[in-house]
Amino acid sequence: ELKVEQNPLFLSMQEGKNYTIYCNYSTTSDRLYWYRQDPGKSLESLFVLLSNGAVKQEGRLMASLDTKARLSTLHITAAVHDLSATYFCAVDMYSGGGADGLTFGKGTHLIIQP
Amino acid sequence: DVKVTQSSRYLVKRTGEKVFLECVQDMDHENMFWYRQDPGLGLRLIYFSYDVKMKEKGDIPEGYSVSREKKERFSLILESASTNQTSMYLCASSLQGRGYTFGSGTRLTVV
Repeated sequence: ELKVEQNPLFLSMQEGKNYTIYCNYSTTSDRLYWYRQDPGKSLESLFVLLSNGAVKQEGRLMASLDTKARLSTLHITAAVHDLSATYFCAVDMYSGGGADGLTFGKGTHLIIQP
Repeated sequence: DVKVTQSSRYLVKRTGEKVFLECVQDMDHENMFWYRQDPGLGLRLIYFSYDVKMKEKGDIPEGYSVSREKKERFSLILESASTNQTSMYLCASSLQGRGYTFGSGTRLTVV
């Protein structure tokens, strides 16, 4: 059974600081996703990481994937209040018959204070 | 952009009622999914479907069934709603290897 663990689950930080969210998963996977969710809203796709060593950046967010360590990180640089949200990582156990669906971590609730 | 539409944003139903949650996608995706989201538990997969009339159980299928009569529509059915099925329900679709798109969610309250 695939398990996905995120940490921390809750993070309060100040604007301007840097921080990293970690996502560990238990078995070999084809793809890893990062999503953002604002309160009461659906999931917004941030990054899809497809191979070992993949790194993607969008604004103040950067995601990386190490498939050998089964670890992905989401790094926040010089945080701003607008990045306050819940962030989820999810792993895709794609098989020959089609996508088997995503297994999600429990999410990291991020609060960025002025 | 792919659009995944869930027919209801909020629903309130009584215990024992049969409940239908509808999801429609507009980009001819083969794969469709139903998740529920609960505080502290994250998102959990209920059922998914590879194609019309095909369905597979996810991690928590008990108390739910699904229907996929047309490629674009995937329905989640609560045969006899119970209070422990109060949750946010999210539908998603995907084209193999090209990521997932989520609907806006249905917040179901069973009283």
